[in-house]
Amino acid sequence: DAGVTQSPTHLIKTRGQQVTLRCSPKSGHDTVSWYQQALGQGPQFIFQYYEEEERQRGNFPDRFSGHQFPNYSSELNVNALLLGDSALYLCASSLSPTSGTLLFGPGTRLTVL
Amino acid sequence: GIQVEQSPPDLILQEGANSTLRCNFSDSVNNLQWFHQNPWGQLINLFYIPSGTKQNGRLSATTVATERYSLLYISSSQTTDSGVYFCAVAPSANAGKSTFGDGTTLTVKP
Repeated sequence: DAGVTQSPTHLIKTRGQQVTLRCSPKSGHDTVSWYQQALGQGPQFIFQYYEEEERQRGNFPDRFSGHQFPNYSSELNVNALLLGDSALYLCASSLSPTSGTLLFGPGTRLTVL
Repeated sequence: GIQVEQSPPDLILQEGANSTLRCNFSDSVNNLQWFHQNPWGQLINLFYIPSGTKQNGRLSATTVATERYSLLYISSSQTTDSGVYFCAVAPSANAGKSTFGDGTTLTVKP
Protein backbone atom coordinates (compact mmCIF):
# COMPACT_ATOMS: atom_id res chain seq x y z
CA ASP A 1 0.00 0.00 0.00
CA ALA A 2 1.49 3.33 -1.08
CA GLY A 3 -0.21 5.31 1.66
CA VAL A 4 -1.13 8.88 0.79
CA THR A 5 0.47 10.17 -2.39
CA GLN A 6 0.72 13.75 -3.61
CA SER A 7 1.83 15.33 -6.86
CA PRO A 8 3.79 17.20 -7.88
CA THR A 9 6.58 17.18 -5.28
CA HIS A 10 7.70 20.71 -6.05
CA LEU A 11 6.18 23.52 -8.05
CA ILE A 12 7.28 27.04 -8.98
CA LYS A 13 4.70 29.59 -10.12
CA THR A 14 4.54 33.35 -10.56
CA ARG A 15 2.15 35.77 -8.93
CA GLY A 16 -1.31 35.77 -10.45
CA GLN A 17 -1.09 32.26 -11.86
CA GLN A 18 -3.28 29.33 -10.90
CA VAL A 19 -2.13 25.98 -9.53
CA THR A 20 -3.64 22.53 -9.04
CA LEU A 21 -2.27 20.06 -6.51
CA ARG A 22 -3.31 16.42 -6.39
CA CYS A 23 -3.75 13.85 -3.64
CA SER A 24 -4.59 10.15 -3.57
CA PRO A 25 -5.69 8.85 -0.18
CA LYS A 26 -4.61 5.60 1.40
CA SER A 27 -6.56 2.61 0.15
CA GLY A 28 -9.75 2.27 2.21
CA HIS A 29 -9.80 5.93 3.28
CA ASP A 30 -12.66 8.06 1.97
CA THR A 31 -11.99 11.44 3.62
CA VAL A 32 -9.36 13.94 2.54
CA SER A 33 -8.19 17.06 4.37
CA TRP A 34 -5.82 19.72 3.06
CA TYR A 35 -3.39 21.78 5.11
CA GLN A 36 -1.03 24.66 4.39
CA GLN A 37 2.26 24.81 6.28
CA ALA A 38 4.24 28.03 6.07
CA LEU A 39 7.93 27.94 6.95
CA GLY A 40 8.50 27.62 10.68
CA GLN A 41 4.83 27.14 11.52
CA GLY A 42 2.44 24.32 12.16
CA PRO A 43 0.04 23.16 9.44
CA GLN A 44 -3.19 25.15 9.03
CA PHE A 45 -6.45 23.49 8.01
CA ILE A 46 -7.78 24.55 4.60
CA PHE A 47 -10.76 22.22 4.02
CA GLN A 48 -12.02 18.66 4.22
CA TYR A 49 -13.77 16.58 1.55
CA TYR A 50 -16.06 13.62 2.05
CA GLU A 51 -18.51 12.09 -0.41
CA GLU A 52 -17.30 14.55 -3.05
CA GLU A 53 -18.42 17.55 -1.03
CA GLU A 54 -16.57 20.15 1.01
CA ARG A 55 -17.61 19.36 4.57
CA GLN A 56 -15.53 21.77 6.63
CA ARG A 57 -13.48 24.82 5.81
CA GLY A 58 -10.80 26.74 7.63
CA ASN A 59 -10.06 30.45 7.45
CA PHE A 60 -8.89 30.59 3.84
CA PRO A 61 -10.18 32.86 1.04
CA ASP A 62 -12.30 31.66 -1.87
CA ARG A 63 -9.16 31.61 -4.04
CA PHE A 64 -8.63 28.20 -2.45
CA SER A 65 -11.01 25.60 -3.82
CA GLY A 66 -11.06 21.87 -4.09
CA HIS A 67 -12.66 18.82 -5.52
CA GLN A 68 -13.04 15.18 -4.60
CA PHE A 69 -13.53 12.51 -7.23
CA PRO A 70 -15.58 9.27 -7.01
CA ASN A 71 -12.36 7.31 -6.36
CA TYR A 72 -11.79 9.57 -3.28
CA SER A 73 -8.77 11.34 -4.76
CA SER A 74 -8.76 15.10 -4.38
CA GLU A 75 -7.46 18.29 -5.91
CA LEU A 76 -6.59 21.62 -4.34
CA ASN A 77 -6.81 24.64 -6.63
CA VAL A 78 -5.40 28.06 -5.81
CA ASN A 79 -6.22 31.01 -8.08
CA ALA A 80 -4.52 34.40 -8.38
CA LEU A 81 -1.42 33.23 -6.52
CA LEU A 82 0.19 35.58 -4.02
CA LEU A 83 3.75 35.50 -2.68
CA GLY A 84 2.25 34.52 0.68
CA ASP A 85 0.86 31.31 -0.81
CA SER A 86 4.38 29.89 -0.88
CA ALA A 87 4.22 26.94 1.51
CA LEU A 88 4.19 23.18 1.92
CA TYR A 89 0.74 21.86 1.08
CA LEU A 90 -0.15 18.68 2.91
CA CYS A 91 -2.91 16.24 2.18
CA ALA A 92 -4.18 13.89 4.89
CA SER A 93 -6.59 11.03 4.57
CA SER A 94 -8.71 9.27 7.18
CA LEU A 95 -11.04 6.27 7.34
CA SER A 96 -14.07 8.51 7.75
CA PRO A 97 -14.98 12.05 8.88
CA THR A 98 -15.25 10.76 12.44
CA SER A 99 -11.96 8.91 12.38
CA GLY A 100 -9.60 10.09 15.07
CA THR A 101 -6.35 9.78 13.15
CA LEU A 102 -4.86 11.45 10.10
CA LEU A 103 -2.38 9.92 7.67
CA PHE A 104 -0.37 12.58 5.87
CA GLY A 105 1.19 12.53 2.44
CA PRO A 106 4.69 13.83 1.72
CA GLY A 107 3.42 17.24 0.63
CA THR A 108 3.83 19.57 -2.33
CA ARG A 109 6.21 22.47 -1.89
CA LEU A 110 4.86 25.50 -3.76
CA THR A 111 7.05 28.51 -4.44
CA VAL A 112 5.44 31.68 -5.78
CA LEU A 113 7.82 34.20 -7.36
CA GLY B 1 -11.06 28.72 17.83
CA ILE B 2 -8.87 26.54 20.00
CA GLN B 3 -5.38 27.85 20.74
CA VAL B 4 -2.50 25.37 21.00
CA GLU B 5 0.75 26.24 22.70
CA GLN B 6 3.79 23.97 22.63
CA SER B 7 6.89 24.19 24.76
CA PRO B 8 9.78 24.44 24.62
CA PRO B 9 10.08 25.81 21.06
CA ASP B 10 13.57 24.36 20.71
CA LEU B 11 15.36 21.55 22.50
CA ILE B 12 18.93 20.31 22.06
CA LEU B 13 19.91 17.00 23.63
CA GLN B 14 22.82 14.67 23.74
CA GLU B 15 22.14 11.17 22.44
CA GLY B 16 20.79 8.98 25.23
CA ALA B 17 19.11 11.79 27.15
CA ASN B 18 15.41 11.93 28.03
CA SER B 19 13.02 14.77 27.23
CA THR B 20 9.48 15.97 27.87
CA LEU B 21 7.52 18.05 25.38
CA ARG B 22 4.37 19.87 26.45
CA CYS B 23 1.17 20.86 24.64
CA ASN B 24 -1.38 23.19 26.25
CA PHE B 25 -4.74 23.84 24.65
CA SER B 26 -7.32 26.49 25.40
CA ASP B 27 -10.59 24.54 25.24
CA SER B 28 -11.93 21.03 25.67
CA VAL B 29 -11.00 18.61 22.90
CA ASN B 30 -12.15 15.21 21.74
CA ASN B 31 -9.19 14.57 19.51
CA LEU B 32 -5.47 15.00 20.17
CA GLN B 33 -2.62 13.67 18.11
CA TRP B 34 1.16 13.94 18.30
CA PHE B 35 3.16 14.04 15.08
CA HIS B 36 6.84 13.97 14.17
CA GLN B 37 7.91 15.88 11.08
CA ASN B 38 11.18 14.73 9.58
CA PRO B 39 13.63 17.06 7.79
CA TRP B 40 11.96 16.21 4.45
CA GLY B 41 8.59 17.43 5.67
CA GLN B 42 6.85 14.09 6.17
CA LEU B 43 4.44 14.12 9.13
CA ILE B 44 4.27 10.81 10.99
CA ASN B 45 1.48 10.12 13.44
CA LEU B 46 2.96 9.08 16.79
CA PHE B 47 -0.09 8.91 19.04
CA TYR B 48 -3.83 9.40 18.99
CA ILE B 49 -4.41 10.29 22.62
CA PRO B 50 -7.45 12.44 23.55
CA SER B 51 -7.04 11.21 27.13
CA GLY B 52 -4.99 8.78 29.20
CA THR B 53 -1.52 7.36 28.64
CA LYS B 54 -0.01 5.37 25.80
CA GLN B 55 3.43 3.97 25.17
CA ASN B 56 5.18 2.91 21.99
CA GLY B 57 8.76 1.82 22.49
CA ARG B 58 10.87 4.73 23.72
CA LEU B 59 7.98 7.16 23.28
CA SER B 60 5.05 7.67 25.57
CA ALA B 61 2.32 10.28 25.85
CA THR B 62 -0.10 11.42 28.51
CA THR B 63 -3.11 13.67 28.07
CA VAL B 64 -4.94 15.22 31.02
CA ALA B 65 -8.01 16.49 29.22
CA THR B 66 -9.57 18.09 32.30
CA GLU B 67 -6.48 20.26 32.75
CA ARG B 68 -6.04 20.84 29.00
CA TYR B 69 -2.53 19.60 28.44
CA SER B 70 -0.63 16.71 26.94
CA LEU B 71 2.94 15.54 27.40
CA LEU B 72 5.18 13.59 25.05
CA TYR B 73 8.09 11.74 26.63
CA ILE B 74 11.12 10.62 24.65
CA SER B 75 13.53 8.33 26.46
CA SER B 76 17.07 7.37 25.45
CA SER B 77 16.94 9.79 22.52
CA GLN B 78 18.63 8.92 19.24
CA THR B 79 19.80 11.16 16.41
CA THR B 80 16.92 9.86 14.30
CA ASP B 81 14.51 11.44 16.81
CA SER B 82 15.55 14.87 15.53
CA GLY B 83 12.87 16.90 13.81
CA VAL B 84 9.80 18.89 14.73
CA TYR B 85 7.14 17.50 17.05
CA PHE B 86 3.60 18.80 16.65
CA CYS B 87 0.56 18.51 18.80
CA ALA B 88 -2.79 18.73 16.94
CA VAL B 89 -6.21 19.03 18.57
CA ALA B 90 -9.83 19.10 17.45
CA PRO B 91 -13.05 19.77 19.38
CA SER B 92 -14.82 16.80 17.84
CA ALA B 93 -13.84 13.26 16.94
CA ASN B 94 -13.21 14.52 13.38
CA ALA B 95 -9.46 14.84 13.16
CA GLY B 96 -9.69 16.51 9.76
CA LYS B 97 -10.18 20.01 11.12
CA SER B 98 -7.30 19.88 13.58
CA THR B 99 -5.50 22.89 15.01
CA PHE B 100 -1.75 22.45 15.22
CA GLY B 101 0.70 24.10 17.57
CA ASP B 102 3.89 25.67 16.23
CA GLY B 103 5.89 22.64 17.26
CA THR B 104 8.99 21.80 19.26
CA THR B 105 12.19 21.48 17.24
CA LEU B 106 14.30 18.70 18.71
CA THR B 107 17.97 18.29 17.84
CA VAL B 108 19.73 15.18 19.15
CA LYS B 109 23.51 15.36 18.95
CA PRO B 110 25.71 12.22 18.73
